[in-house]
Amino acid sequence: ILNVEQSPQSLHVQEGDSTNFTCSFPSSNFYALHWYRWETAKSPEALFVMTLNGDEKKKGRISATLNTKEGYSYLYIKGSQPEDSATYLCAFIDSGGYQKVTFGIGTKLQVIP
Amino acid sequence: EAQVTQNPRYLITVTGKKLTVTCSQNMNHEYMSWYRQDPGLGLRQIYYSMNVEVTDKGDVPEGYKVSRKEKRNFPLILESPSPNQTSLYFCASSLSGTYNEQFFGPGTRLTVL
Repeated sequence: ILNVEQSPQSLHVQEGDSTNFTCSFPSSNFYALHWYRWETAKSPEALFVMTLNGDEKKKGRISATLNTKEGYSYLYIKGSQPEDSATYLCAFIDSGGYQKVTFGIGTKLQVIP
Repeated sequence: EAQVTQNPRYLITVTGKKLTVTCSQNMNHEYMSWYRQDPGLGLRQIYYSMNVEVTDKGDVPEGYKVSRKEKRNFPLILESPSPNQTSLYFCASSLSGTYNEQFFGPGTRLTVL
């Protein structure tokens, strides 16, 4: 089983603060990395699919970067709002795994009004 | 409406009584997958399917079976459920593999007594 780590495990920020968290994955055999947002009592929803080293993706106030050579991806939230409170998951797919997906445990973000 | 549906949403059963959790998608997606979610362990992939009649094991396949006879359906079968299979189960699908985002079903909460 591949090791996909996310840090921190939880985070409390004030409304308006910007924040970021990390997903670390094996640097060899990279195929793709996904970011998902998971609100309590709902299902995970996709934010980004990242496939190339140096990829940068943006959706509104949320952006992500990817470094496949060193095995990490950052997710940034600019000007956090209470509705950003959720667990953020990354999912790693390695090229030798025939499309098998390994999720990290997630970073739980709480934005305090 | 494009969606992934799962049934049942909640199920309480007893050890050894065979059960099936159905999953269906109406988006003509090729890739479908089953995950279980347990506290502290995150989402773990059970089985996935790249297309009709093509299935493969994820990280935790023991005690589960799947089939993909039609593109839209991907049922999860527990032939002899045990209490350690008590969990929250998600089905997901994507257009054509892990270069595409996954769409998740609403989840099935299973309790095995």
